[in-house]
Amino acid sequence: KAGVTQTPRYLIKTRGQQVTLSCSPISGHRSVSWYQQTPGQGLQFLFEYFSETQRNKGNFPGRFSGRQFSNSRSEMNVSTLELGDSALYLCASNLGQLNTEAFFGQGTRLTVV
Amino acid sequence: DAKTTQPPSMDCAEGRAANLPCNHSTISGNEYVYWYRQIHSQGPQYIIHGLKNNETNEMASLIITEDRKSSTLILPHATLRDTAVYYCIVRVEGRRDDKIIFGKGTRLHILP
Repeated sequence: KAGVTQTPRYLIKTRGQQVTLSCSPISGHRSVSWYQQTPGQGLQFLFEYFSETQRNKGNFPGRFSGRQFSNSRSEMNVSTLELGDSALYLCASNLGQLNTEAFFGQGTRLTVV
Repeated sequence: DAKTTQPPSMDCAEGRAANLPCNHSTISGNEYVYWYRQIHSQGPQYIIHGLKNNETNEMASLIITEDRKSSTLILPHATLRDTAVYYCIVRVEGRRDDKIIFGKGTRLHILP
């Protein structure tokens, strides 16, 4: 079956702009999580959505937001982009049940100039 | 903060078994040990997980000590394609959310 799909794969934005990233989870998966990966901070948890509700949130400013649709697809939005937002943004999905592994997409590489 | 400690890097000769250690001395009784790996610029890939018994799948084996304070991931016959950063993670069963706290992982170099 198809894996986790993230679009776009690459993106270049200017400081101050906003950006929306998309994640389509594996069919049947109800939980979608987002992570930011930078060389300095490594992989950091952003937030998790389950059944259209945010269940958990990491320590990121309010400029980072997300949502989940009824078909479990998720989007994350970053407003007022800063140079430090340049990163690989990863999405992971799982069934939302206990003791199940998460499957990651290939990520969206965002560059802010 | 991550609840695991791993060596920053390791080397292994191609064809040999790669043994990656992980310390999780504060692990709780309901926490599972998960292993993921990340090949350069790709999304992390699930490898294996376990609670207290040793586990084996087509990719690797997971050996968890009896006191559960440490574990070892074993890649039985390492190939160049196993070069990656390997993350050892503890996740809690029974929580109503899902959040993976990644540490810095171990960068495994497979030497030809």
